[in-house]
Amino acid sequence: EAGVAQSPRYKIIEKRQSVAFWCNPISGHATLYWYQQILGQGPKLLIQFQNNGVVDDSQLPKDRFSAERLKGVDSTLKIQPAKLEDSAVYLCASSLIQGEYEQYFGPGTRLTVT
Amino acid sequence: RKEVEQDPGPFNVPEGATVAFNCTYSNSASQSFFWYRQDCRKEPKLLMSVYSSGNEDGRFTAQLNRASQYISLLIRDSKLSDSATYLCVVGLYNFNKFYFGSGTKLNVKP
Repeated sequence: EAGVAQSPRYKIIEKRQSVAFWCNPISGHATLYWYQQILGQGPKLLIQFQNNGVVDDSQLPKDRFSAERLKGVDSTLKIQPAKLEDSAVYLCASSLIQGEYEQYFGPGTRLTVT
Repeated sequence: RKEVEQDPGPFNVPEGATVAFNCTYSNSASQSFFWYRQDCRKEPKLLMSVYSSGNEDGRFTAQLNRASQYISLLIRDSKLSDSATYLCVVGLYNFNKFYFGSGTKLNVKP
């Protein structure tokens, strides 16, 4: 079974530029999560989708971050404009159904903002 | 106050040692509890869930203490391959919200 796919794996941009990350969850997984993991910290949930609807985006900085999952499958997370403090690993995870506990994580996108 | 707190370590132990990590959570309404393992520069992977009655999986034992609001992970007979960061995860509101701790780093030395 293919795992969660993410691209790109690495991205370096200058502050005030825009960047987008892509995630393709495990086939059939209805729930998709985006996390931000800053070095030395645990993952912080940014947004959770159930199919193509948003379940929780309370910790998403909506002035600069946006995410969509239009067809209920793959998802994109965008940052516009980026700040230095956005440097982190952005992890996508999926689970079969909402409430199923095991989340399967993708390899992440390591973002460096200079 | 953080939702989930862990001792960051590192815990440096010799092979064969027994080591224990604790994790405290702030919200008494928390409903689900897990330990994830994260290797250096890799994604987190589920190690085990933590049940009220406690549970064991080989050399790993997890315990939950609701009264004191902490969970623990015990690793017996440590292996070099156990070296990793162990993340405590707490779920709320029928699993719709998950909070990760900052992780405890374990180094197992030969």
